[in-house]
Amino acid sequence: EPEVTQTPSHQVTQMGQEVILRCVPISNHLYFYWYRQILGQKVEFLVSFYNNEISEKSEIFDDQFSVERPDGSNFTLKIRSTKLEDSAMYFCASGGTSGIQETQYFGPGTRLLVL
Amino acid sequence: SQQGEEDPQALSIQEGENATMNCSYKTSINNLQWYRQNSGRGLVHLILIRSNEREKHSGRLRVTLDTSKKSSSLLITASRAADTASYFCATMDTGRRALTFGSGTRLQVQP
Repeated sequence: EPEVTQTPSHQVTQMGQEVILRCVPISNHLYFYWYRQILGQKVEFLVSFYNNEISEKSEIFDDQFSVERPDGSNFTLKIRSTKLEDSAMYFCASGGTSGIQETQYFGPGTRLLVL
Repeated sequence: SQQGEEDPQALSIQEGENATMNCSYKTSINNLQWYRQNSGRGLVHLILIRSNEREKHSGRLRVTLDTSKKSSSLLITASRAADTASYFCATMDTGRRALTFGSGTRLQVQP
């Protein structure tokens, strides 16, 4: 069964450093998402991506964040200058094989720790 | 209930018993989805119910949706120790793609 994969599983970085989190969505999906979950808190939506552009973003997704689909398989989240409060589990999700998508399939997550 | 109030926040039952979790929301939705998360792991999609549906089944799972009360429930029948996890409801609001998650119910099934 196809799965969303994410790399790395864990990332430790120093405050102010740039990190890139990588995701390979399910191959025939058209919609891609990033969410995060700070330890002990709710899963929060960051951004959705469709047709090579951001279709929706939350207020969390400020200028420090960017997303890219550099090729036909990868979907990345870049945090330009990490802050302590960026420490969280980051989940990639994908969904939709047509113009209407509903179910979102999540990857296993990347646990980011900013020191 | 989730999305503000958990009902319950935590639930401990014996294997073989049924587990019921409730979720409330405040918006107009396209659909509501239930996910499971084992400790520190990814989110596994369980079931999706559309706003025009009232009940849905999948194996041992039964989901109901009452849009007039803006609430949903997830029933797991004949629970197993492997069902131990956190369960989240997530709504897809009308006109949006983003999912809004609740705070979750931690289910412990004792063998």
